[in-house]
Amino acid sequence: GENVEQHPSTLSVQEGDSAVIKCTYSDSASNYFPWYKQELGKRPQLIIDIRSNVGEKKDQRIAVTLNKTAKHFSLHITETQPEDSAVYFCAASDSFNDMRFGAGTRLTVKP
Amino acid sequence: NAGVTQTPKFQVLKTGQSMTLQCAQDMNHEYMSWYRQDPGMGLRLIHYSVGAGITDQGEVPNGYNVSRSTTEDFPLRLLSAAPSQTSVYFCASTVRGTETQYFGPGTRLLVL
Repeated sequence: GENVEQHPSTLSVQEGDSAVIKCTYSDSASNYFPWYKQELGKRPQLIIDIRSNVGEKKDQRIAVTLNKTAKHFSLHITETQPEDSAVYFCAASDSFNDMRFGAGTRLTVKP
Repeated sequence: NAGVTQTPKFQVLKTGQSMTLQCAQDMNHEYMSWYRQDPGMGLRLIHYSVGAGITDQGEVPNGYNVSRSTTEDFPLRLLSAAPSQTSVYFCASTVRGTETQYFGPGTRLLVL
């Protein structure tokens, strides 16, 4: 089955700096790569996703890049703000019932 | 729309007790799933359903049962609770043919 590794486990940045979180996956059949944000005590919420036929996708301050050959994808957050502080999860799947999540990255944005 | 709802929000059980975690969605999504979230391990799939009357096992099904009698409801049953089942449980729904998971607010379960 799929195995997803996520790094780093914790990340601290100054407000206004950029943050990058990286994930690697093992199953070449995976074709859907979502990123979820989870604030303390809340549910995971989808912030951006990418499919294997696309190399990069942007939505305002967040972007995701995918390298299928190397089997890794990354989340980029620019101009970070304190409200970006949360745990971020990556995932990889080839179907809704085969989604494997990374262990999460706790991002802290210092004002 | 309320989206995906879960009850209870928090529960304490003693080892060996049974209980049912409730999940409902009002988005008419055909797919529903149960995940558990443990520290440092992300989310892991317990059971899923692709429609009323159809369920199947996920990555970590042992100790849990599910049923799907209606499109809206997908309860998760713990048959005989064990301390290893202490976790946060999330229910999710998905539009048929897609993969995006819409999560409920979660149930925090403590088994003593």
